Amino acid sequence: EAQVTQNPRYLITVTGKKLTVTCSQNMNHEYMSWYRQDPGLGLRQIYYSMNVEVTDKGDVPEGYKVSRKEKRNFPLILESPSPNQTSLYFCASSLTRGLTYNEQFFGPGTRLTVL
Amino acid sequence: AQKITQTQPGMFVQEKEAVTLDCTYDTSDQSYGLFWYKQPSSGEMIFLIYQGSYDEQNATEGRYSLNFQKARKSANLVISASQLGDSAMYFCAMRLNSGNTPLVFGKGTRLSVIA
Repeated sequence: EAQVTQNPRYLITVTGKKLTVTCSQNMNHEYMSWYRQDPGLGLRQIYYSMNVEVTDKGDVPEGYKVSRKEKRNFPLILESPSPNQTSLYFCASSLTRGLTYNEQFFGPGTRLTVL
Repeated sequence: AQKITQTQPGMFVQEKEAVTLDCTYDTSDQSYGLFWYKQPSSGEMIFLIYQGSYDEQNATEGRYSLNFQKARKSANLVISASQLGDSAMYFCAMRLNSGNTPLVFGKGTRLSVIA
């Protein structure tokens, strides 16, 4: 089954404790991205990756890091989480960002609470 | 930069009736794609429908149709014959077909279907 998986699905942590949210897709997609969703703000892009070893900042990258060592994986790293990073996080992937229609597949979401 | 506006924070509709969810967008680019996603209370993002800026016909997918008015920069979602399971948050999104611009989301409309 074609899918994007994220782990963990739920996480409660404390300020300053480094954490990683994993994201993996099995569709051989080049393009992957991370979003955060906050009430009243919709989804905002954190980082994206066009392919292996190619990453770039989205709209709200502060406080986050990513890496893309393999095509299927795109982990999101919070080196020193703070309460304002409490949010619902989505990983997404699509074939490319080319001129043709490309559906973006979303993972199930990770609900993060930073105390 | 592109922008998506969804002016209806919440909507109610009677079961079996049709409902229109508004979406307007702002971009100076000529080539772009418009998307609608559904987010039920379980949290996942479900792709509903896509409209390309050069598509001459309005997109349809089952009970979903997109009323695309390019000159007015609107891409309203029409749901026909509403069902109780349609109760969810609905997001309009846009992505340019050039450059490294992200998928930009509106703030969403919460639809409640009443029996």
